[in-house]
Amino acid sequence: EAQVTQNPRYLITVTGKKLTVTCSQNMNHEYMSWYRQDPGLGLRQIYYSMNVEVTDKGDVPEGYKVSRKEKRNFPLILESPSPNQTSLYFCASSLGGRTEAFFGQGTRLTVV
Amino acid sequence: QKEVEQNSGPLSVPEGAIASLNCTYSDRVSQSFFWYRQYSGKSPELIMSIYSNGDKEDGRFTAQLNKASQYVSLLIRDSQPSDSATYLCAVNIRGYSTLTFGKGTMLLVSP
Repeated sequence: EAQVTQNPRYLITVTGKKLTVTCSQNMNHEYMSWYRQDPGLGLRQIYYSMNVEVTDKGDVPEGYKVSRKEKRNFPLILESPSPNQTSLYFCASSLGGRTEAFFGQGTRLTVV
Repeated sequence: QKEVEQNSGPLSVPEGAIASLNCTYSDRVSQSFFWYRQYSGKSPELIMSIYSNGDKEDGRFTAQLNKASQYVSLLIRDSQPSDSATYLCAVNIRGYSTLTFGKGTMLLVSP
């Protein structure tokens, strides 16, 4: 089954404790993105990648890191999480920049 | 001007009515247009794509595109309570490498 898989689905952590949210897709898509979604603010792109080893900042990259060492994986790293990073996070993949995006199930992160 | 704009709603319609959701975009040369449905706390799921001017129908859903007016809409016929969700419009905008999403319109269908 074609899918985008994120883990974990739910995470509660403490301020400053490094964490990684994983994202994997099995559709051989070139593009992958990370978004955060907060009430009233819609989907905001954090980082995106157009191919292996090619990443770029989205609208709200501060406090986040990404890497794309393999085509199928695009982990999101929070090296020192803060409470303002409490949010619902989505990973998405697409064949190209103009094609439909497929979303993972989401990760609800709470930083206390 | 925001690149992709949607009325946040909520749009309230009675069961069985037609719901009309609208989206305007800033780039005159945009070529790809998508509608996503998102239930609260869930991930967006694609329901329609449209690339050419005119109407595209899929079951109870019709997408309408007018490139001259930079306007794309989604009609939902025979609305059901299960259609209650937030509907996101996504467009490819020049200068952006990935799709640009609107903030979404919340639709409430009352029984």
